[in-house]
Amino acid sequence: EAGVTQSPRYAVLQEGQAVSFWCDPISGHDTLYWYQQPRDQGPQLLVYFRDEAVIDNSQLPSDRFSAVRPKGTNSTLKIQSAKQGDTATYLCASGTGYEQYFGPGTRLTVL
Amino acid sequence: GDSVTQTEGPVTVSESESLIINCTYSATSIAYPNLFWYVRYPGEGLQLLLKVITAGQKGSSRGFEATYNKETTSFHLQKASVQESDSAVYYCALGDTNAYKVIFGKGTHLHVLP
Repeated sequence: EAGVTQSPRYAVLQEGQAVSFWCDPISGHDTLYWYQQPRDQGPQLLVYFRDEAVIDNSQLPSDRFSAVRPKGTNSTLKIQSAKQGDTATYLCASGTGYEQYFGPGTRLTVL
Repeated sequence: GDSVTQTEGPVTVSESESLIINCTYSATSIAYPNLFWYVRYPGEGLQLLLKVITAGQKGSSRGFEATYNKETTSFHLQKASVQESDSAVYYCALGDTNAYKVIFGKGTHLHVLP
């Protein structure tokens, strides 16, 4: 069974640039999560979906971040105008409850 | 609010020594929290090590154990004899009922010396 895949694995931007992260969850998993993990911190939930519906996006900085999962499978997280404070690893996870399976993450550096 | 506090690292132990990584939680908005330990080995993604969803129960995996103690709001991770291959970052985590929403601690770097 293939795991959660993410791309790109690394991204380096100047402040003000936009970037998109892509996630392909494990087949059959109805729930998909995006986390932000700053260096030396634990993962912090940004948003999660059940199928194509957003269940909780209360921690998503809505002025610059957006996330979609249009067909209830793959998902895209976009940062419209990146700031240095967005430097972190962005993790995608999928699951069906009680356990989340994580992808390798995208390490973002904003200069 | 809901939060998790765990031993600040790095923690360094020698092979075959015992290990305990402390974890305490606060679950003010979750009536029946689920508790987890996740691990990230070098070069790998985050993966579930063990989980316990009922207070008073113990979970175990790969020689590690953790007991869900509701009275002390703790979920300490223990191992009687560590191996060099246990070197990793360990995260204690708290989930709501069904664990759809999970809150992680900051992580504890463990270095096991040969």
